[in-house]
Formats: sequence, structure tokens, C-alpha cells
Amino acid sequence: AQKITQTQPGMFVQEKEAVTLDCTYDTSDQSYGLFWYKQPSSGEMIFLIYQGSYDEQNATEGRYSLNFQKARKSANLVISASQLGDSAMYFCAMSANNAGNMLTFGGGTRLMVKP
Amino acid sequence: GAGVSQSPRYKVAKRGQDVALRCDPISGHVSLFWYQQALGQGPEFLTYFQNEAQLDKSGLPSDRFFAERPEGSVSTLKIQRTQQEDSAVYLCASSSRTGPNSPLHFGNGTRLTVT
Repeated sequence: AQKITQTQPGMFVQEKEAVTLDCTYDTSDQSYGLFWYKQPSSGEMIFLIYQGSYDEQNATEGRYSLNFQKARKSANLVISASQLGDSAMYFCAMSANNAGNMLTFGGGTRLMVKP
Repeated sequence: GAGVSQSPRYKVAKRGQDVALRCDPISGHVSLFWYQQALGQGPEFLTYFQNEAQLDKSGLPSDRFFAERPEGSVSTLKIQRTQQEDSAVYLCASSSRTGPNSPLHFGNGTRLTVT
């Protein structure tokens, strides 16, 4: 079974600054994927970034980067140059090789960007 | 449309009523998932289809929950004799592939309120 833990229920960040959202995971699988999704107040889940367990480089997508530390089983999301539109819930999720692409989600972190 | 479409967007049901929630996945997507998201929490897996086959229904909370995808495209989640604890947002997601590195594309969800 997989487990995702997000220990920050809420975070504030000043506009234009960088912020790190924490995620730790637990799995016995050797092959797995780690994902981050953004959920604005409208409710849709927006895919942000993916990191495979065998990827040696940290994933980056525009202002999003994933700080993957395999030995620590952490997959923190870094958002650079925060914008007001980044205010939303952020969910870390993982899939494991034996579960197809079924995702297990963490409890989420609410990010609030201050002008 | 290009994305996953869910209807209705909102549903209010009296306790004991049956409800049916519809999901139109992205055309050609093989995998289809249903998730339940309680207020302030991360989505919880309900069930998974690969084409028309329901491969995993381990997340369905009771036998009052039933899902189908008879032709491998549109899916319906049915809840019989609704209870107050069924109040949640029901999210549908689809994916073009089945591997652990395939992101899920989510709809906007159906918010079910049982009174």
C-alpha cells in the first residue's frame, strides 16, 4: 500500500517569492511515480508535474520544480516567483507499478499568496 | 470538448434517494477512475475501469455504490439510498495509458449534498 503525507495544512507566501510545499511518501514498490496537482476554488484538479522513481534529474515545468530525495522518500514542490493565481489547494500523489496509474493522494496544502 | 466532463455539477438529494452521476472522459482514453473527495481532504479512490472492464472496485464504501462503463467511454456512478455521509465531491478522471507515469486528467466534479 502507498501512503502520502503532507504536513502543512496551510502556507502563506508573499507574491514573487518562492515557496516549498512538503510531501513525504511511503511505498514498498521499486517503481513508482510522484505527481503534484493544483485544485483552485473552482474544484478542478490540474496536473502540474511528474517525477518517476528512476529519474535521476529533478523534474521541472516552468515555475514548478520537484525536489526529489529518494532516500528520504520526499518529493517537495517548489514554486518560484509566486503569483496571486497560485492561491489554491495543492495535492501530492503517487502511483505504483503494481497499481497501474491509480493515484493515492495526500491531504493537501492550502497555499495563499499575499499581494 | 477537450476535457473530462461531469454532470450534474451540483446535486442535492434527500436521504434515501438514489442518484446517478455521469462522466464523459477524454475521447479515446482507456483508463477511467472515480474518486470521492470530502470537504478539506484529498481525493479517495473509489473504482477503476480499463475500457469497459471494472478492474478495481475496492474503494467503493458500501454495496450502495455501483459504477458502470458499458461501452468503454461514458461512465455512471450510482448511489442508492443516499446517506448524509455520502455528501462529497465526486471526481472522475481519465488517462490515455495505464502505466504509473501517466497523469490523470480530472473533471470539475459533482458536488453531492444529502439532506
